[in-house]
Amino acid sequence: ILNVEQSPQSLHVQEGDSTNFTCSFPSSNFYALHWYRWETAKSPEALFVMTLNGDEKKKGRISATLNTKEGYSYLYIKGSQPEDSATYLCAFMWGGNTGKLIFGQGTTLQVKP
Amino acid sequence: SQTIHQWPATLVQPVGSPLSLECTVEGTSNPNLYWYRQAAGRGLQLLFYSVGIGQISSEVPQNLSASRPQDRQFILSSKKLLLSDSGFYLCAWSTLGSTNEKLFFGSGTQLSVL
Repeated sequence: ILNVEQSPQSLHVQEGDSTNFTCSFPSSNFYALHWYRWETAKSPEALFVMTLNGDEKKKGRISATLNTKEGYSYLYIKGSQPEDSATYLCAFMWGGNTGKLIFGQGTTLQVKP
Repeated sequence: SQTIHQWPATLVQPVGSPLSLECTVEGTSNPNLYWYRQAAGRGLQLLFYSVGIGQISSEVPQNLSASRPQDRQFILSSKKLLLSDSGFYLCAWSTLGSTNEKLFFGSGTQLSVL
């Protein structure tokens, strides 16, 4: 059974703190790893799609790394802001570019002003 | 630009009643279409995906079915709802052909089966 684990499940930080989350996925048959941000009352939006071992992607204060050999990805947020409050989902695509993703349960981040 | 429409936003249905959720995509042709569900306390689970008209793949055995009568229309249905069908349903689309294709999600339907 293919499983994607995210930790922590939830996180409360103060504005200005930097934080990071972990996504663990099967290391075999890897094709791609996606990160999505899901704000309350909105649709999930893609942050990154990562395909190569050692990939590092950055979007503003948010960055992500990928280790396909050991099956993990980290998402970092530098200097968290209240607008970063959301649930962050990672999703694993295996076996080819089928578009089928296995999602983790997400990490819910709450940034207090 | 591409947009995805999903309706209704919320739905309360009695057990045993039928279901029809609709999703349409604009601004792209021949998209891959997906139905995901998030049950309480769980991650997004892929229910169905479609690579073309009339082509539906089911990922998990369930009480639901999907149809794609037109290129950019995806419908989720049930003849008789169960309590366990309650959850948040998301439609999504993507295009194949690139290793960096991401999913674009609709706004979701909160279904409560009572």
